[in-house]
Amino acid sequence: DIQMTQSPSSLSASVGDRVTITCRASHNIINYLNWYQQKPGKAPKLLIYVASSLQSGVPSRFSGSGSETDFTLTISSLQPEDFATYYCQQSYMTPLTFGGGTKVEIK
Amino acid sequence: EVQLVESGGGLVQPGGSLRLSCVASGFIFSNYWMSWVRQAPGKGLEWVAHIKEDGSEKKYVDAVKGRFTISRDNGKNALYLEMNSLRAEDTAVYYCARDKAIVGVNTGSLFDPWGQGTLVSVSS
Repeated sequence: DIQMTQSPSSLSASVGDRVTITCRASHNIINYLNWYQQKPGKAPKLLIYVASSLQSGVPSRFSGSGSETDFTLTISSLQPEDFATYYCQQSYMTPLTFGGGTKVEIK
Repeated sequence: EVQLVESGGGLVQPGGSLRLSCVASGFIFSNYWMSWVRQAPGKGLEWVAHIKEDGSEKKYVDAVKGRFTISRDNGKNALYLEMNSLRAEDTAVYYCARDKAIVGVNTGSLFDPWGQGTLVSVSS
């Protein structure tokens, strides 16, 4: 199975900050890496697919990069509605696997 | 509007069974793979199973193989998850999600959108 490791597991940031979350895959997954946002009590929402493509309707302050085993989600200027937990997910092979999540909290 | 609505969750004793349903609307259900993804209380996300558009291909995470069965009825726009021999570690919110949701792009299995989830609690 492909293991997905996110870091950090949590972070505190202020509105307007630039935030970076990393995701590392245990095997080369080319660019089959997706990012989701989940708010408390809600279902996850797709933000970024195949490493760097922005899902329709997602604000442009979100961006993704990376390839093979190392990937990054960046929020260029954190907004109040961005405080949530973020998950990466590899779509290279089954079993499909997620990272452990990164909780973004208000400083 | 694309919508997925799950039902069928509840409290069940260890060793018991439960059948989850997910009804889809707002898109051509028979054109998409579909998945079940679960989330234990306070924990991360775990993919459970997915099924091809016509039901001819199904895959499962090892933790549920032989106990859970995914199926679909395209005439009813419905996805199901039959869960048998339930264990305490199966306790979770179960989400259905549209799979391989980006048409025209080779993305592998990704999930968009998700339903609101249904809670399964396995306890004596």
